Amino acid sequence: DIVMTQSPGSLHVTPGEAVSISCWSSESVQSPDGHIYLDWYLKKPGQAPQLLIYLASRRASGVPDRFSGSGSGTDFTLTISRVEAEDVGIYYCIQVRQTPFTLGPGTRVDIK
Amino acid sequence: QITLQESGPTLVKPTETLTLTCTFSGFSLNTGGVAVAWFRQPPGRALEWIGLIYWGDDRRLRPSLRSSLAMTSDTSKNQVVLTISNVDHMDTATYYCTHMSSTMTTGFFDYWGQGIVVTVSS
Repeated sequence: DIVMTQSPGSLHVTPGEAVSISCWSSESVQSPDGHIYLDWYLKKPGQAPQLLIYLASRRASGVPDRFSGSGSGTDFTLTISRVEAEDVGIYYCIQVRQTPFTLGPGTRVDIK
Repeated sequence: QITLQESGPTLVKPTETLTLTCTFSGFSLNTGGVAVAWFRQPPGRALEWIGLIYWGDDRRLRPSLRSSLAMTSDTSKNQVVLTISNVDHMDTATYYCTHMSSTMTTGFFDYWGQGIVVTVSS
């Protein structure tokens, strides 16, 4: 199985601050033709997870442009340019390159 | 508009079989590029992928659960049924079903049910 790792485990941030969350995979989740099978999701308290980013850098429909994704191969980053209070929750990366699909342990973001 | 709704028991005894149903609308599992997947989140723990059914009835299940897990679809009813046999306390979790858009070049879970909380307890 592909093992996914995330860092940091938690963040306590001020509104307006920039945030970066890192995600690593134990093997490449990029296909030989360049497609990157890495998504980012946000799990808000009491809600179902929501898709933020797919293909490592494509924003899902309706996702604010303060969210961006980057990376390739085994190293990925989710960036929130200016955190807002509604962004609190747990952020997960997931590889969909091969089954079993595997998720990182999550990064909890709280607002000061 | 795509919607999914999980249903089933909220309390199950250890060693019993848990059966959850995902009823969906707005898409068909007869359509290429579509799958229905299940995730769960145990209390205080990370989200985990359980398995999925692709169009064409191709199923992929989490290996660690494969011996106790079954997943079936009824395309006429627009339902996917998840069955976990011989449950124990480790199966206590919120279970989510989700629509997956899956092609040769991408895969993502874009619509989710609200989730159902299942507790395994005697």
